[in-house]
Amino acid sequence: KQEVTQIPAALSVPEGENLVLNCSFTDSAIYNLQWFRQDPGKGLTSLLLIQSSQREQTSGRLNASLDKSSGRSTLYIAASQPGDSATYLCAVTYYYNQGGKLIFGQGTELSVKP
Amino acid sequence: GAGVSQSPSNKVTEKGKDVELRCDPISGHTALYWYRQSLGQGLEFLIYFQGNSAPDKSGLPSDRFSAERTGGSVSTLTIQRTQQEDSAVYLCASSSMIARPGGVQFFGPGTRLTVL
Repeated sequence: KQEVTQIPAALSVPEGENLVLNCSFTDSAIYNLQWFRQDPGKGLTSLLLIQSSQREQTSGRLNASLDKSSGRSTLYIAASQPGDSATYLCAVTYYYNQGGKLIFGQGTELSVKP
Repeated sequence: GAGVSQSPSNKVTEKGKDVELRCDPISGHTALYWYRQSLGQGLEFLIYFQGNSAPDKSGLPSDRFSAERTGGSVSTLTIQRTQQEDSAVYLCASSSMIARPGGVQFFGPGTRLTVL
């Protein structure tokens, strides 16, 4: 069964802290995994995409890792800023899903306090 | 345009009415997806188009939901005889990938549907 779980559901941290968001998936036959950001009332913005053959991707203060064998991914945010406050969603695509539909987790709502 | 656009941004309707939601994908993107985001269910896939055909309709929740795409571009999602449980944000995404998974999907801002 294709399930994606994100922990925690919500997180509040003071500005400047490093933090980790977690994503787990039940079926390891993924093609890739993506992390998205969603601001209130807005669509989704892709942050990082990790192919199944990769172990991590980095963009600025963001680093995403992938461990297929354990069915886990983490999104590491360094030196958090109030502008990082948003909901973060992870999503996977599977080889056998024609067209590459995304299977989403429920998201982690992040609040970074000044 | 520069990104995926959707209209209307907000739609309030009465139970039992039909509604049409529109999506304009990024020019040249052959793949188009509809998703639904609701409080209880999170973000769920509805339907995928490659060109004008829909190889994967597995996420449509009932036969009241249908979608079409014309000219390989604009898509319309139609909900007939709306119910209160149809209230959600409907998101559209497009991708340039052809016939295989994995391309980055670019999302529109969504249409917030409220059924009274």
